[in-house]
Amino acid sequence: QQQVKQSPQSLIVQKGGIPIINCAYENTAFDYFPWYQQFPGKGPALLIAIRPDVSEKKEGRFTISFNKSAKQFSLHIMDSQPGDSATYFCAASLSGNTPLVFGKGTRLSVIA
Amino acid sequence: GAGVSQSPRYKVTKRGQDVALRCDPISGHVSLYWYRQALGQGPEFLTYFNYEAQQDKSGLPNDRFSAERPEGSISTLTIQRTEQRDSAMYRCASSSISSGGELFFGEGSRLTVL
Repeated sequence: QQQVKQSPQSLIVQKGGIPIINCAYENTAFDYFPWYQQFPGKGPALLIAIRPDVSEKKEGRFTISFNKSAKQFSLHIMDSQPGDSATYFCAASLSGNTPLVFGKGTRLSVIA
Repeated sequence: GAGVSQSPRYKVTKRGQDVALRCDPISGHVSLYWYRQALGQGPEFLTYFNYEAQQDKSGLPNDRFSAERPEGSISTLTIQRTEQRDSAMYRCASSSISSGGELFFGEGSRLTVL
């Protein structure tokens, strides 16, 4: 049973474009929804996270949109750059130091 | 730096051998997690500790896998009688009470079972 479903598997955008990565979750008790960024040879690193009391969170060029009724959330990258090329993972967990459940990842390539 | 440190970074072993993977979390981090990440996949939860107490081991694939964190700091993930299907990247992460749920991952231990 896959608790967090992520799409697309891969994405290619032109520099300056706005890639959008989507995630759907099943467990309505989840209340913490982070996105992690992973570069080749490195471990995942937190990019941005949201809790369900807000519908949107923006940090720099990265925005999470959250739709609680649809049990979906998405990552938008504004003015994407070649340096944003990486694999992005959505995740979810219950609050209180419980393990994150990760999606399968989206490999993003931003071409100049 | 003061990040999560894992060793060995690479381990090649023969089928049937036991392996031990070590994780040294960020100093002061209460929680320590073990994940397994297959190539092209997301991290898959194995087990986690708060201090020295193993809170959840539901992700361990079978009884050949075990983990310990005896003093609430360094942790060891042990795989007995390794099989080829155990080949993967094993990642450790730690978090603090004040980190708001953020996990800090190490660079992983890549295990290859021949």
